[in-house]
Parts: sequence; structure tokens; C-alpha cells
Amino acid sequence: RKEVEQDPGPFNVPEGATVAFNCTYSNSASQSFFWYRQDCRKEPKLLMSVYSSGNEDGRFTAQLNRASQYISLLIRDSKLSDSATYLCVVNIRAGGTSYGKLTFGQGTILTVHP
Amino acid sequence: EAQVTQNPRYLITVTGKKLTVTCSQNMNHEYMSWYRQDPGLGLRQIYYSMNVEVTDKGDVPEGYKVSRKEKRNFPLILESPSPNQTSLYFCASTGVTPGLAGHDEQFFGPGTRLTVL
Repeated sequence: RKEVEQDPGPFNVPEGATVAFNCTYSNSASQSFFWYRQDCRKEPKLLMSVYSSGNEDGRFTAQLNRASQYISLLIRDSKLSDSATYLCVVNIRAGGTSYGKLTFGQGTILTVHP
Repeated sequence: EAQVTQNPRYLITVTGKKLTVTCSQNMNHEYMSWYRQDPGLGLRQIYYSMNVEVTDKGDVPEGYKVSRKEKRNFPLILESPSPNQTSLYFCASTGVTPGLAGHDEQFFGPGTRLTVL
């Protein structure tokens, strides 16, 4: 089983649609969680961190369910510019340091069309 | 401007010809990593470094070397490249998001597309 698994996609949605991505992780010691966005042939960039209480940033909402070991990303009112690959990222911290090992999911491709 | 730079951005080489991909960050980050990204496999960590002179293997270290002589630089070395190392490579450095203890954002370089013939 992969450490981090995402919906394979691709997702093709019209502008204005609401779309949700799920991601599961296998290591219960995982301590922090992120969604990154990667545009075609570009570097990944942090979209948002995912907090235990859930968090929202404009049209984007992230949720964490530690008991079931999954995180989700909801995008409301999709824009053409939201077309990208969305990467689920899990950080397993060890040794008492502030850094850990980031493990990436394979990514889910989203295409928003007019 | 805070950034991670990589050079070269594109490289075509032949099997066995040693090459180095440079990586530099200007954010005074302690932690740096190298990843490769392949279709269907996602981003996989090659090596990482917790600080100067401290490096360790990631998930796919075979065929690669790294060094960390200075905090800002973390070059990736392929002593004898082979075609299976054809990939898109990213360098990244990690900081701690202010006010959010325990949450780390990784900043990625623009990527190096390597083809080994």
C-alpha cells in the first residue's frame, strides 16, 4: 500500500462547479498535512496547510480526519485558473526535529473548462 | 526575493558522463532535499540534508550523490548517469511557517529536466 494515495482523476469540471479531492495516508505517525498545487511543467507550490480543525482559504477548504487517516480538499466556484495537478503531502516528523520527511501523493489532475 | 534556483534547467547527456545539478537557496533554510518526478510515480525523495555536512538517503538514492558544504548550496551529482535517471528533478528547501509551529512549507526550485541517452 502506498504511504499516500489520492483519487487518480483526472477531474474535468465546468467553471463554477464544486470539486472535492480525497487523500488517504497509511502512517498514523504523520504529523502535518498539506495540499500543493503544480502547474504543468512547473514546480509544486504550497496551496494550503491542513489543520485538525479544518481550515478555509477563500474558495478552498481543507479537512483532516485523523481517525480515518484521510484529508480532503474542496474547491468551490471553480475557475479556469484552478486547472492544475493537486498534490496531497504528508509530513512524518521524527527525532524531535522541526523537520520531517514529506511524502507526496501521485497527484490529481483537475481541468476546469468553460 | 526568496527563491530556490537550479541549474541547468534542461540537460541532455550520454550514459556515463558525470554531471552535477546545482541548487541554491537564499532563505537561510537548514533543510534541503532533492526529488525526482516521473509519470505515474509522483515526487520521490532522492537525498535530503538537515544541515551543513549532514546528509541522508531518501527513498531512491541509488546512482546519486549529494554534498552540503555550505548552507545555501546542495548540489546533486550523477557520477555515471544511466537512461533510467531520465527524469524531472526538483530541489527544495524547507522553512517553518511563522506562527504555525510544526508546519513546514517546502519551496521548490524550477526543476531540471534531464535526459540521459
